[in-house]
Amino acid sequence: AQSVTQLGSHVSVSEGALVLLRCNYSSSVPPYLFWYVQYPNQGLQLLLKYTSAATLVKGINGFEAEFKKSETSFHLTKPSAHMSDAAEYFCAVSRTGGGNKLTFGTGTQLKVEL
Amino acid sequence: GAVVSQHPSWVICKSGTSVKIECRSLDFQATTMFWYRQFPKQSLMLMATSNEGSKATYEQGVEKDKFLINHASLTLSTLTVTSAHPEDSSFYICSARSLDRGEDTQYFGPGTRLTVL
Repeated sequence: AQSVTQLGSHVSVSEGALVLLRCNYSSSVPPYLFWYVQYPNQGLQLLLKYTSAATLVKGINGFEAEFKKSETSFHLTKPSAHMSDAAEYFCAVSRTGGGNKLTFGTGTQLKVEL
Repeated sequence: GAVVSQHPSWVICKSGTSVKIECRSLDFQATTMFWYRQFPKQSLMLMATSNEGSKATYEQGVEKDKFLINHASLTLSTLTVTSAHPEDSSFYICSARSLDRGEDTQYFGPGTRLTVL
């Protein structure tokens, strides 16, 4: 079975500060890992995905994530937060690629303050 | 880019009635679509996998007779909530699998808010 754990259901940062959202995974096979963003009353938008290529993955809107097998982690970062980054962020894992069954974490609500 | 639409975006119905939600891939064909359910402040839970031309595969604990899924074409899947009750009130999100241009990615619809009175 696969699972992801997102540490911190709420994260608050100041505008311009570093964003760090944590995700740890559990998988019996090499995982495919994803970060999605959800704005209120909307569906999910893919930020980035790890598919066993480069361990540092760059995504949209200035986000990136690093796959660390030794730590079973896939934390999401952005050097400088913007007000528009305020949203819900979900980490997800899949066995065989993004087109197949995804198991989501419980989500992290990011708040950006002036 | 790949776009997935859902209709309606929100619906209010009386207890005991049935509601149909449509999920369409607008600019690509999707042999596989997924239906998720999201309760307030919670994560997405996969309900079922819908494959074009065949029966849907339901996750454990999801009542197939209550949540009817039809994937009649490569661009359309429907979810019908039969005999809806207040506990069925939720945010329903679909996604469609794209294999275009060598990718293997799910694109998500904007969701449908169902409120059962």
